[in-house]
Amino acid sequence: GAVVSQHPSRVICKSGTSVKIECRSLDFQATTMFWYRQFPKKSLMLMATSNEGSKATYEQGVEKDKFLINHASLTLSTLTVTSAHPEDSSFYICSARDPTGTATGELFFGEGSRLTVL
Amino acid sequence: AQKVTQAQTEISVVEKEDVTLDCVYETRDTTYYLFWYKQPPSGELVFLIRRNSFDEQNEISGRYSWNFQKSTSSFNFTITASQVVDSAVYFCALSEAGYGGSQGNLIFGKGTKLSVKP
Repeated sequence: GAVVSQHPSRVICKSGTSVKIECRSLDFQATTMFWYRQFPKKSLMLMATSNEGSKATYEQGVEKDKFLINHASLTLSTLTVTSAHPEDSSFYICSARDPTGTATGELFFGEGSRLTVL
Repeated sequence: AQKVTQAQTEISVVEKEDVTLDCVYETRDTTYYLFWYKQPPSGELVFLIRRNSFDEQNEISGRYSWNFQKSTSSFNFTITASQVVDSAVYFCALSEAGYGGSQGNLIFGKGTKLSVKP
């Protein structure tokens, strides 16, 4: 079963509105979560690293005020796209690190959230 | 700087053919992790394999096999006797080791779209 859950999986919103995407780790406490954005026919690009209890670390070129990240608990990180515009339409994926590690991998990905801004 | 190159943008094969997806990486670190993920049309990322930089043993899992060669900085993925269900975008990714040996964020290649026709 999924160990990282994202919600919503699909969202359509009007231009100018804000949209919140949630990323939850289900089986472990994640001190670190990552937010990726995937453009059509492009690779996944890391947007920011979310650290529980502290400010997120944004990658170069990612607008902090546009993409608000909150990691208020060890199992939940949220990405809020503020004042969304059509160019923000994309597929957003989160991943969470299991600090205990496993034999097969330490990063688990959510199912992704497809945002469409009209 | 870290970089992952998947030179094949799209590959089309007929069912039962073998297919190899290429991945070349760049990193200055001596300790790092390499991954392959499958992204079916539904969008979620499916973890296939993680390999650390000190383990150059090739791995076979069913119809999947991986060839890791540090000398050429390559981590190629072969699907034997391909099936229609293998149709997806496949991503190769690199992660440098972080604190305590755990992996940091992933750097993805641009992906290879594999189409397997019946």
